[in-house]
Amino acid sequence: SQTIHQWPATLVQPVGSPLSLECTVEGTSNPNLYWYRQAAGRGLQLLFYSVGIGQISSEVPQNLSASRPQDRQFILSSKKLLLSDSGFYLCAWSFGRPNTEAFFGQGTRLTVV
Amino acid sequence: AQSVAQPEDQVNVAEGNPLTVKCTYSVSGNPYLFWYVQYPNRGLQFLLKYITGDNLVKGSYGFEAEFNKSQTSFHLKKPSALVSDSALYFCAVRDSILTGGGNKLTFGTGTQLKVEL
Repeated sequence: SQTIHQWPATLVQPVGSPLSLECTVEGTSNPNLYWYRQAAGRGLQLLFYSVGIGQISSEVPQNLSASRPQDRQFILSSKKLLLSDSGFYLCAWSFGRPNTEAFFGQGTRLTVV
Repeated sequence: AQSVAQPEDQVNVAEGNPLTVKCTYSVSGNPYLFWYVQYPNRGLQFLLKYITGDNLVKGSYGFEAEFNKSQTSFHLKKPSALVSDSALYFCAVRDSILTGGGNKLTFGTGTQLKVEL
């Protein structure tokens, strides 16, 4: 069976510091991968998605970037965090067919201070 | 373009009563529809999906959802609510017409369900 791991679970970082959040998927190959941000415990905003190694699409301009160095690894980064980067970040994966559901990691609570 | 709307920020229901959480959608082709549940500080858990076929879809934890093409709706239902059902519920949609967008799921803004004794 497939599993998704996301870490860390919580993170407190000062403004201006770098960020690296990692997500890995086990038990499948060539998944579609996604990073979402959830603000104030409500709506989900799609930040990045990837359909293959090195293929990253950005949904919104922002202070963040994503990379996919390996087939089942998805990394969310920032060179300098802003206060507005605080939020709950969720990684997800799905098969490449549109009729399949996405599976989510447990999320990372990022607080920028 | 695909979109989904959840018109209620919060739904309150007494334990043992039926519950309904509403969702409407908009797509260019045929919709693939999904419901997720989120507990505090946790990731989203998949509940059920509609792909094709029977308009009534059954899922986890006794939940079901009814697809209505004419009303472009996919409401989540449960015959008898439990206090433990209290959580944030998300409806999501994908359009069957792919636009090269990595099969993106578009989520609604979420509905907070509160089940009280």
